[in-house]
Amino acid sequence: DAGVTQSPTHLIKTRGQQVTLRCSPKSGHDTVSWYQQALGQGPQFIFQYYEEEERQRGNFPDRFSGHQFPNYSSELNVNALLLGDSALYLCASRGLDRNSYEQYFGPGTRLTVT
Amino acid sequence: LAKTTQPISMDSYEGQEVNITCSHNNIATNDYITWYQQFPSQGPRFIIQGYKTKVTNEVASLFIPADRKSSTLSLPRVSLSDTAVYYCLVGDWDNQGGKLIFGQGTELSVKP
Repeated sequence: DAGVTQSPTHLIKTRGQQVTLRCSPKSGHDTVSWYQQALGQGPQFIFQYYEEEERQRGNFPDRFSGHQFPNYSSELNVNALLLGDSALYLCASRGLDRNSYEQYFGPGTRLTVT
Repeated sequence: LAKTTQPISMDSYEGQEVNITCSHNNIATNDYITWYQQFPSQGPRFIIQGYKTKVTNEVASLFIPADRKSSTLSLPRVSLSDTAVYYCLVGDWDNQGGKLIFGQGTELSVKP
C-alpha cells in the first residue's frame, strides 16, 4: 500500500515564476492538506481540500492556490514566487475514518527560489 | 486554538528513557493532544494521541494529568534512530479537520 507521494522531490525556480507541486494521497484517503515548512520551523498549514473544494485555509496570500481531482490527488500552485517561498512543501492525507485523527505526510518537495 | 510550549532541544544517551513535556495551559474541553515525530527532510509522522490519563502504543506513552494543562511524551530506551524533532499539537480535530498547528518542536539528540 503506497503512502503519500509527492512530486517533484526538488525544484529550483526564479523569483517571479510560477510553480506546481503534486500530491497523491494514501490509498483510501479523501482529504488532502498542504503545509509549508521553512528551515528550522514547524510546518505551517496552507489549505485543505475535500470533495474537490478548498475547505480550510491558513494565513497564506492568494498567490497560493490549489486543486483536488476526482481521484483525490491534489496540486499546489504558487504564482509570482518570492525568495521567501523557499521551503519544504508537505502534503498530508486523512482517511475516511473520521474517528481517526492521524494524518499521513509525504516526503515533501524542496522548493528553492533564486 | 491552544498554544503549546515545549523545550527547544534535549539530549539523551542510547538506552535511556526520554520524557518530553508540553505545556498547554488554555486547552479546551474538546481538544485532543497529539504528538508527531519528524526526521530531517521527511514529513512528520504520527506517534500518539490522547485525551486524558495515559495512552500507550508500541512506540511511546503519553501521560496527561487530570487538569490537562500539560502532557508528557515518554520514549522508552531510546536509540540513535530516535534523533528527531518532536511536535506537541493540541486541537479539536472534529472541528479543525485537517488543520494541524505545529509549534517549534523539541529537537531530541540521542548520543551513543
